[in-house]
Amino acid sequence: EVQLVESGGGLVQPGGSLRLSCAASGFSFSNFWMSWVRRAPGKGLEWVANINQDGSDRYYVDSVKGRFTISRDNAKNSLYLQMNSLRAEDTAIYYCARDRQLRFDYWGQGTLVTVSS
Amino acid sequence: EIVLTQSPGTLSLSPGERATLSCRASQSVSSNYLAWYQQKPGQAPRLLIYGASSRATGIPDRFSGSGSGTDFTLTISRLEPEDFAVYYCQQYGSSYRGYTFGQGTKLEIK
Repeated sequence: EVQLVESGGGLVQPGGSLRLSCAASGFSFSNFWMSWVRRAPGKGLEWVANINQDGSDRYYVDSVKGRFTISRDNAKNSLYLQMNSLRAEDTAIYYCARDRQLRFDYWGQGTLVTVSS
Repeated sequence: EIVLTQSPGTLSLSPGERATLSCRASQSVSSNYLAWYQQKPGQAPRLLIYGASSRATGIPDRFSGSGSGTDFTLTISRLEPEDFAVYYCQQYGSSYRGYTFGQGTKLEIK
């Protein structure tokens, strides 16, 4: 059974940093692209970033370029999102998702990030 | 960047009725690149339809997708109580190697 479990969310002040993790199991993690998708309170889904199988290709939504970094450790079956210079508008539930390069077929339950003073 | 606009924003229907949800793109989208998701409160999104009309694994056949170009539709033939949720369309932008979602349609019990 495919499982994706996010962790690392919490309350952080504006300008602060946070690192999210996603532990994957039930599939061959190193064979798939992976993505982060977020949902801000009262808003819809927004794709944040993705990364290819060996980490050599990474793409980001414009609003996080230069502030967020996606990475992975295939030996640990883990995906990460390093978030720096956080803003109030980054407040959201962050989901890890398996990226089939046209769709997301499995999602984690999400981790909440709150940026507030 | 292609913008997806979903309508209506909220759809109020009764169990057993037919639901028709619309997703309109600001530019033509390849059918291969269009997907639909369902999200219930407190849960992760679930993939329903990909490639505009292919059902994902385990999705009941009362869910169907159609459309091409700029206009796509998700149809639920006979609503079950568990179908009341928020639905999103999503497209992949090959030019900028990223994804965009529509703003969502909330399907609520009338």
